[in-house]
Amino acid sequence: AQTVTQSQPEMSVQEAETVTLSCTYDTSESDYYLFWYKQPPSRQMILVIRQEAYKQQNATENRFSVNFQKAAKSFSLKISDSQLGDAAMYFCAYRTGHNNAGNMLTFGGGTRLMVKP
Amino acid sequence: GAGVSQSPRYKVTKRGQDVALRCDPISGHVSLYWYRQALGQGPEFLTYFNYEAQQDKSGLPNDRFSAERPEGSISTLTIQRTEQRDSAMYRCASSHTRQGLNEKLFFGSGTQLSVL
Repeated sequence: AQTVTQSQPEMSVQEAETVTLSCTYDTSESDYYLFWYKQPPSRQMILVIRQEAYKQQNATENRFSVNFQKAAKSFSLKISDSQLGDAAMYFCAYRTGHNNAGNMLTFGGGTRLMVKP
Repeated sequence: GAGVSQSPRYKVTKRGQDVALRCDPISGHVSLYWYRQALGQGPEFLTYFNYEAQQDKSGLPNDRFSAERPEGSISTLTIQRTEQRDSAMYRCASSHTRQGLNEKLFFGSGTQLSVL
């Protein structure tokens, strides 16, 4: 079974600065997908960014980018120019690439990001 | 509908009572997923459906938990004889197809269950 670990329960960043959230995972599969989700105080689940394991290029979405290290099974999220609205819980998630496995996600325990004005 | 709708938003029940949580996915979405999220933790997979067929229920904690999606649209998660440890946010998600390279999962706002 796959596991996802987020070793930082809480992180803090100054507004306009850059912060990196860590995520490691354990899998024996070679084909899979990785995600970062944001959960603000409203408790919605918002997809931030997605990475396909077969792609070497790191995904980027505006101020959000990932550092995907497949050999190390590491998938960190970098938030640049942090804004007050970035304050939330962030969850790293894994999905198998097997065609018959559906869209089930395995989530990490989350990192609470605080943004200081 | 415009998004995944779950009801009720909040449910408070007494230990031993049965509860039914409802999920109305985005119209036309084939797959529907149930997750449970305890306070301060990440969501945990419970079960999922393609159309009306339950594909995987390996995440259901025990036989007090069951789910159905009889017409391939609305789904109900039922918890019988609730216990305090069942208290959590129960979240539903749907996706347009079973799985695709760019398939996106749409989450509902969840039902917060409190068992007293």
